[in-house]
Amino acid sequence: DTAVSQTPKYLVTQMGNDKSIKCEQNLGHDTMYWYKQDSKKFLKIMFSYNNKELIINETVPNRFSPKSPDKAHLNLHINSLELGDSAVYFCASSQGQGLNTEAFFGQGTRLTVV
Amino acid sequence: AQSVTQLGSHVSVSEGALVLLRCNYSSSVPPYLFWYVQYPNQGLQLLLKYTSAATLVKGINGFEAEFKKSETSFHLTKPSAHMSDAAEYFCAVRRHGNNRLAFGKGNQVVVIP
Repeated sequence: DTAVSQTPKYLVTQMGNDKSIKCEQNLGHDTMYWYKQDSKKFLKIMFSYNNKELIINETVPNRFSPKSPDKAHLNLHINSLELGDSAVYFCASSQGQGLNTEAFFGQGTRLTVV
Repeated sequence: AQSVTQLGSHVSVSEGALVLLRCNYSSSVPPYLFWYVQYPNQGLQLLLKYTSAATLVKGINGFEAEFKKSETSFHLTKPSAHMSDAAEYFCAVRRHGNNRLAFGKGNQVVVIP
């Protein structure tokens, strides 16, 4: 059983398109995240939701809009895709946000904008 | 804000040799530190974490890390590298205040047969 699953795993699309990435976790966690990993492997948090409520919104263009229909799902919708959006996007989840809380990561979605 | 520094993006190690990956943190309060591993085309997996219970932390796959407050370090080691250890390794810290998990730049480990 996959704990944190993302779909699709690969996504190739043209500039200007709108696309979505879906994420589901079956760990019963109450907190979910989106991270972006750039071409140099640097990981940066984009969003965090706790019990379906947005709690972290880093400096991310408003073309990126997360949606959490329930605690087990956190989707990422991206409007008007740009070349610079090409990256690997990771979904993660945790139980709470305590200082010693580990995050569980999905396999990632490699987005390529052409 | 708390952060971690990993020096040297690429680390080459011979099979059977010691693996040593350095991580230094900046924090004026006790940090909560993590090491994650990312195998090719996969997500991140927790190797181990420091939560102040013990300074020497043992993780999965034979890895361990030692917290040294005097050196503000949390270096990751494995006595004998295996080919399967080839991966990207990230040190991370939970920041006090907003509790965000902040990652270092990562070390890509290459194991030479």
